[in-house]
Amino acid sequence: SYELTQPPSVSVSPGQTASITCSGDDLGNKYVSWYQQKPGQSPVLVIYQDTTRPSGIPERFSGSNSGNTATLTISGTQAFDEADYYCQAWDSSTVVVFGGGTKLTVL
Amino acid sequence: QVQLVQSGAEVKKPGASVKVSCKASGYTFTGYYMHWVRQAPGQGLEWMGRINPNSGDTNYAQKFQDRVTMTRDTSISTAYMELSRLRSDDTAVYYCARAGAARSSFDYWGQGTLVTVSS
Repeated sequence: SYELTQPPSVSVSPGQTASITCSGDDLGNKYVSWYQQKPGQSPVLVIYQDTTRPSGIPERFSGSNSGNTATLTISGTQAFDEADYYCQAWDSSTVVVFGGGTKLTVL
Repeated sequence: QVQLVQSGAEVKKPGASVKVSCKASGYTFTGYYMHWVRQAPGQGLEWMGRINPNSGDTNYAQKFQDRVTMTRDTSISTAYMELSRLRSDDTAVYYCARAGAARSSFDYWGQGTLVTVSS
């Protein structure tokens, strides 16, 4: 079965840029979405179709996807951005896969 | 505004079944696929399957193929997920999530339903 691999944790200083990767075989040929989840809350979509931000998501969130790796980039990271982040893609036309999640810590 | 409101927490014994509901409002229920995702305590997101509310057609993750049933009642804009033969490792928060217009992502999520399986 298809797997998406994320680093368990990423740390960043306030105001700096955080990059969270998601790796999978030939991932660049699939659409990748990213979700933010804070403790006790439901996930929130922050990026879809690799690079598109939903309405209401700050411009500091951006995405890219090429080769075997997709990346979520958070520019000017704020303490408010501290959360778990999950990537998601479709293995086939009918099977969805999530990455294992990355805990973003803003030190 | 789009809302997905799920049923309340459940406590079940091993071997029992649980049925979680997800009532949609603020959009045309039959126009968007509904997915179910679960999250065990301290763990990541796990996709369970989806239902096309218009046709009732379903696709399930292989892991749950023989234990999960997803249905819908279009008259009340509600989707259901039933999981049978519950085990302790089915203890999790279960979410319904709407697939957005792009269909590749989930733009709205329910608040989650905690299902606890314990003897």
